[in-house]
Formats: sequence, structure tokens, C-alpha cells
Amino acid sequence: DAGVIQSPRHEVTEMGQEVTLRCKPISGHDYLFWYRQTMMRGLELLIYFNNNVPIDDSGMPEDRFSAKMPNASFSTLKIQPSEPRDSAVYFCASNINSYNEQFFGPGTRLTVL
Amino acid sequence: AQSVTQPDIHITVSEGASLELRCNYSYGATPYLFWYVQSPGQGLQLLLKYFSGDTLVQGIKGFEAEFKRSQSSFNLRKPSVHWSDAAEYFCAVGAGSNYKLTFGKGTLLTVNP
Repeated sequence: DAGVIQSPRHEVTEMGQEVTLRCKPISGHDYLFWYRQTMMRGLELLIYFNNNVPIDDSGMPEDRFSAKMPNASFSTLKIQPSEPRDSAVYFCASNINSYNEQFFGPGTRLTVL
Repeated sequence: AQSVTQPDIHITVSEGASLELRCNYSYGATPYLFWYVQSPGQGLQLLLKYFSGDTLVQGIKGFEAEFKRSQSSFNLRKPSVHWSDAAEYFCAVGAGSNYKLTFGKGTLLTVNP
């Protein structure tokens, strides 16, 4: 298996632009997690899905952030409009159930100028 | 809500020396505990996990961790560190049925030759 795939690996954009991050979980995994990592706040869970349904989005910082999972093999995290404080590394992770190991993707490094 | 504290932001050890990374958690009942490692530019990889049973847990790459309920700790150890162990290490706790993990801020390990 190729593991969790994220694209793009790096994104540089200007404040006010829309940003879309993409994730393909490991085939057969039914949980998908989106995290954000910054120096100040560490690794934060933004939202997670079970069987394509959002279960908990309490970590989403504000309405500018949205996430979708239209099918079992694809999820997006969208920021509109983007702001410099959104600069971070965004990770996607998946697992097969509950508290088993979460497999992380390589992350997308987002820079908002 | 659960929380995790990693008291050491940065640790430097010599190659071949022993290593102990500290992790303290806060949760009212028995938590699920994890150690992950992150190499530069990479996602997180699971080293080991504790769910129940034997409080001394063996993981990959020669790491082990011990769950001590009385101290609310789950410290990571390795008897002899290799240069390739240089990375950032994260302790995480999961609790209840919401399957969310709460991560510590991480400990950066530097290995001197």
C-alpha cells in the first residue's frame, strides 16, 4: 500500500486566496483525521470522519475552514479566505478503527503571505 | 478532557547513551497511550502503544515505555541511542469513545556522535 497520500506537499499562497488540501487515506480505513501542526500550538486535531461522515469538527478554528469527504478514498480541507496565521503543516491520518494506530501522511506545508 | 505534558522541549544525548523521554497525562480513568516519532519533513510514525495489561510495552526500533498509573506517566526509554534516532517524539493520549488523540508538544532529540 502507498500509505496516506497528501497533496500538494508545499503550498504558498497570498492572503485572501482559497486553499484546498487533499488527502487519500489507506484503502479500507474507515477513520480519517485532519491535524494542524504549528510551533506555538503543537499538533491539533481539526476534524475527523468515520465512514465519510464528519464526527467531530470542534477543532476547526473558524468558519473559514471546511472539510469534506465525498467518498472513502478522498478528503479535502479548504481554507477560504486564507490568512497568514493559517501557515502551518497540515497532516491527514487514517486508521481502520478506534484506537488502533493512526497512519499519517507526509503533510502539506502551507505558507500564506 | 485529557491532556498530555512533555516537560522536555529538547534533549541532547551522545550516541550509545541511554535515553528517557518523559510524558505525563491527565485523565480520570485508564487512558490509551501512544508514542509517535517524527523525522524532519515526515509524518508521524507509531513507536508503541499501551491499551491494557502489561505496563511495560515494547515498540519498534528498540524503544520501550512503562505505564505508571500512580505517577500518571508513560515514559519512553531506549538503552542505547543511535544517530538515526534523532527526531521529534510525541506522546499522545486517547480516552473514552470519541477516538480522538491529544498530543503533547513534543520533545526534540539531538544525538551527538
